[in-house]
Amino acid sequence: KAGVTQTPRYLIKTRGQQVTLSCSPISGHRSVSWYQQTPGQGLQFLFEYFSETQRNKGNFPGRFSGRQFSNSRSEMNVSTLELGDSALYLCASSPGRQGRISNTGELFFGEGSRLTVL
Amino acid sequence: GESVGLHLPTLSVQEGDNSIINCAYSNSASDYFIWYKQESGKGPQFIIDIRSNMDKRQGQRVTVLLNKTVKHLSLQIAATQPGDSAVYFCAESKTTSGTYKYIFGTGTRLKVLA
Repeated sequence: KAGVTQTPRYLIKTRGQQVTLSCSPISGHRSVSWYQQTPGQGLQFLFEYFSETQRNKGNFPGRFSGRQFSNSRSEMNVSTLELGDSALYLCASSPGRQGRISNTGELFFGEGSRLTVL
Repeated sequence: GESVGLHLPTLSVQEGDNSIINCAYSNSASDYFIWYKQESGKGPQFIIDIRSNMDKRQGQRVTVLLNKTVKHLSLQIAATQPGDSAVYFCAESKTTSGTYKYIFGTGTRLKVLA
């Protein structure tokens, strides 16, 4: 089956602009997570959505937001871009289990959207 | 605060030798520890995981060891091959109120020497 698809793969923006990134999870997966990856900080958790609801949120400012649609596709938006927002943004999907205490541990990642802010 | 860190940022290993990648964590309240491999230009790929009630798990050419006493996680790769060259991340998966989140380390780059 098809993997996680992220679009666009590369984009360049200038400071102050806003950007929207898209993620299509693996068919049947209901959980979508977003991560920011930079050389110095590694993978930083942004947020996770399950059945159109944000379940978890990382320590990022309110300029970073997201949403999930009924077909599990997800978008994240960054407003008022700053130079420090330049990064690889990764989306990961998993089957997700509402209310389950333990998990299987596996996230399926897309290849990411590389954002450069000038 | 909580953190997942790595002892070595870069590890160079001769082809055919065994590789050991180490990871330290500070928060013991987690369900799983996971290892991911990320090749250049690609997203992280799941390698192996281990539950917090286990201390060892084996896969194909890989073994993960968990030492909860010293909060240490390691990934052992047997007979390292050129295709193993990548950045390896450890991560801890924590469960909170029925949901879970992941904290990743900054990664170790494995270089396989011919």
